Amino acid sequence: AQTVTQSQPEMSVQEAETVTLSCTYDTSESDYYLFWYKQPPSRQMILVIRQEAYKQQNATENRFSVNFQKAAKSFSLKISDSQLGDAAMYFCAYWGPQGGSEKLVFGKGTKLTVNP
Amino acid sequence: GAVVSQHPSRVICKSGTSVKIECRSLDFQATTMFWYRQFPKQSLMLMATSNEGSKATYEQGVEKDKFLINHASLTLSTLTVTSAHPEDSSFYICSARVSGSNQPQHFGDGTRLSIL
Repeated sequence: AQTVTQSQPEMSVQEAETVTLSCTYDTSESDYYLFWYKQPPSRQMILVIRQEAYKQQNATENRFSVNFQKAAKSFSLKISDSQLGDAAMYFCAYWGPQGGSEKLVFGKGTKLTVNP
Repeated sequence: GAVVSQHPSRVICKSGTSVKIECRSLDFQATTMFWYRQFPKQSLMLMATSNEGSKATYEQGVEKDKFLINHASLTLSTLTVTSAHPEDSSFYICSARVSGSNQPQHFGDGTRLSIL
């Protein structure tokens, strides 16, 4: 079964600085998708960024970018110029063919604190 | 686009009552919707996959008679917690995908259920 591991339960960063959140995953599939979701205190799940495994180019969305290392099965999220509104739980998620289902597999999350 | 509406956002009720939670895809059709449960400071746990016009697929350990799922149309899935007890208190969140696409899941805002 696919698994997603986030080894950092908590991280903190100073406002305007850069922080990187780690994520590794395990799969035997070659075609899949990876996501980072943000969950602020309001508990909405907000899609931050997605990466298709067949694409070598790292995805970027404004201040958010990923470092996708397919061979190493690593998918880290970099947040540049951190803002107070970035404070939230961040979940890494994997989606791929799993016996015909469409399940998202989530990591346990990383709580990000942004210090003013 | 791709808005998912979940209602109600908060429910407080007495032990023994049944509670229905609705999940609607507002601007797209979703043959598949997903129901998650999230305990405090934990990740999302998939409860079941809801398929339009057919029975839901429940994850191991989830009581199908306790958590009834109905997906009667391409835009609506409901989760009914039957004879709720305090241990059913949790945050429940749904998601939906655009049918036949590789688009990511979009999440509702969640329902905080408190059983007294």
